[in-house]
Amino acid sequence: DAKTTQPTSMDCAEGRAANLPCNHSTISGNEYVYWYRQIHSQGPQYIIHGLKNNETNEMASLIITEDRKSSTLILPHATLRDTAVYYCIVRVSLTAGGTSYGKLTFGQGTILTVHP
Amino acid sequence: DGGITQSPKYLFRKEGQNVTLSCEQNLNHDAMYWYRQDPGQGLRLIYYSQIVNDFQKGDIAEGYSVSREKKESFPLTVTSAQKNPTAFYLCASSMLRRDNSGANVLTFGAGSRLTVL
Repeated sequence: DAKTTQPTSMDCAEGRAANLPCNHSTISGNEYVYWYRQIHSQGPQYIIHGLKNNETNEMASLIITEDRKSSTLILPHATLRDTAVYYCIVRVSLTAGGTSYGKLTFGQGTILTVHP
Repeated sequence: DGGITQSPKYLFRKEGQNVTLSCEQNLNHDAMYWYRQDPGQGLRLIYYSQIVNDFQKGDIAEGYSVSREKKESFPLTVTSAQKNPTAFYLCASSMLRRDNSGANVLTFGAGSRLTVL
């Protein structure tokens, strides 16, 4: 699996967009980029994933560069409740018996602090 | 509401004792996982299971055991052989898919915090 590099911490003002970068320069063609977040003392929460096209859902947008070596998670209007650790994970799904399952490796992520 | 239930939320045990953490899901997911998290660290995979009566070791399986007798349940036993069992334990589940997309979308429980006294 490709290794990812994220800043240790970031700050963002409430109501502004939070842009969280992730470098994955060794990503291969069949690896997806996944983003999860973990609010203090809770289980991680899936946010979004993508392969090469930009993706958007109700929580966030994911921008993947054309060479796929980096990506940015965008929270368009950050709130205090978005304060969490954000994990960028690059992973190819393992296929067994015609179905796929995933095992994730979580690094230390980016601590995002949203302040008033 | 569908989800994953872990119990107990907090657990204290004496050294040398085995302890079992419960994980139940009603999402009809096929795959289930156990992760461990130490303070200030990321998550590390302990065990995972794709189907009933089958499971595989993850990266740090030593000192742990699991069973998967029912699709909904994947209990984790922390044995006395685990040298540093104090940690935050997270259970997760996912659907098995026939394509490659989304297979790493995991749903996590709220966690169980184990402290060895």
